[in-house]
Amino acid sequence: DTGVSQDPRHKITKRGQNVTFRCDPISEHNRLYWYRQTLGQGPEFLTYFQNEAQLEKSRLLSDRFSAERPKGSFSTLEIQRTEQGDSAMYLCASSFASGGAGGELFFGEGSRLTVL
Amino acid sequence: LAKTTQPISMDSYEGQEVNITCSHNNIATNDYITWYQQFPSQGPRFIIQGYKTKVTNEVASLFIPADRKSSTLSLPRVSLSDTAVYYCLVGDRDNAGNMLTFGGGTRLMVKP
Repeated sequence: DTGVSQDPRHKITKRGQNVTFRCDPISEHNRLYWYRQTLGQGPEFLTYFQNEAQLEKSRLLSDRFSAERPKGSFSTLEIQRTEQGDSAMYLCASSFASGGAGGELFFGEGSRLTVL
Repeated sequence: LAKTTQPISMDSYEGQEVNITCSHNNIATNDYITWYQQFPSQGPRFIIQGYKTKVTNEVASLFIPADRKSSTLSLPRVSLSDTAVYYCLVGDRDNAGNMLTFGGGTRLMVKP
């Protein structure tokens, strides 16, 4: 399977704990995106990388969130000191070049986080 | 500020054609229009993309009038498995500069 894969698919944690999600994009894609989605809402942009460079972060993104893409391949999203409001589906997507003007985003199946 | 406006929900019956319209009055000259489909507990899936006039693929058609201020996703002869949320995206950013904003989408319910 050459699609976008995310791990873990489900994570339950206690408030205050740190969690990390991993995303493996489609190999030839140079852009990687992280989104968050809560029930009944559309995906909310968090951050994106072009190769290993993090080019943009949402202004809504808390300092507790950090993302890396060390070699321009897989990416990790870490949430420190989790809060109940962090409970959501975290989606990763990849694309080649621009995702909005001429390109398409390929999404993984997401990592669902539940903070107790 | 939202860049697109879609109906919150629509109902249809199996075998019917469904048309979902998205309004995007502030579309920029270089903006493409892209539609995604999302099933519960899955990531969105690309359906179709266009810039002007009409685009058709094996899944859907996309109609874009000359002024490009709206677009219509057309799903021919829907089945129960087309029940999903459909999102319209325009360009890279919304009017507030936020990147790739999905908005609330249109919940399509296909009934037998």
